[in-house]
Amino acid sequence: DAGVIQSPRHEVTEMGQEVTLRCKPISGHNSLFWYRQTMMRGLELLIYFNNNVPIDDSGMPEDRFSAKMPNASFSTLKIQPSEPRDSAVYFCASSPTGGTGELFFGEGSRLTVL
Amino acid sequence: EDKVVQSPLSLVVHEGDTVTLNCSYEVTNFRSLLWYKQEKKAPTFLFMLTSSGIEKKSGRLSSILDKKELFSILNITATQTGDSAVYLCAARLGGQNFVFGPGTRLSVLP
Repeated sequence: DAGVIQSPRHEVTEMGQEVTLRCKPISGHNSLFWYRQTMMRGLELLIYFNNNVPIDDSGMPEDRFSAKMPNASFSTLKIQPSEPRDSAVYFCASSPTGGTGELFFGEGSRLTVL
Repeated sequence: EDKVVQSPLSLVVHEGDTVTLNCSYEVTNFRSLLWYKQEKKAPTFLFMLTSSGIEKKSGRLSSILDKKELFSILNITATQTGDSAVYLCAARLGGQNFVFGPGTRLSVLP
């Protein structure tokens, strides 16, 4: 069974450009999470969805960040305009509701904003 | 504010040593405590603990939870260089949210 799939794996862009990160959760998982990981701040939850509905977006840094989940098999995280301080690894994870509670992580998208 | 703290933040040992990693939590609506291992890529799941005092084991790794004192430990015996990684602890809250600690970076030298 395929795990959580993220794209792109690496993205290098210039300040001010729009960045879109994509995620396909594990089939049948009802919850989807976007995390950001940096050396300074560790793993931070940005937003999570349950049954495609955003439940908690309090971790989204500011209006430049937005996330959508138009259906059960796809989510995007968009940054517009991007800034150098957005450079980080962005992980998508999914979890089956009512299951063991384990989070299954994707391989991550490493974003560098110059 | 929900918080998970880990100690030490970094640890260097030699192969064959035994290590104990600590995780304490201060969260509302606690459901379970999870341990992950992160090498160069994504965190991979090790254990989930929901009940106090019941040890979970997997090979040389074991973990236990104390819900009264709000902490968990992860033990690794007879460490190997392949155990070098960042070990993350996370508290699962009601409503599916997870709060992660900063991680312990373990380096095992040959």
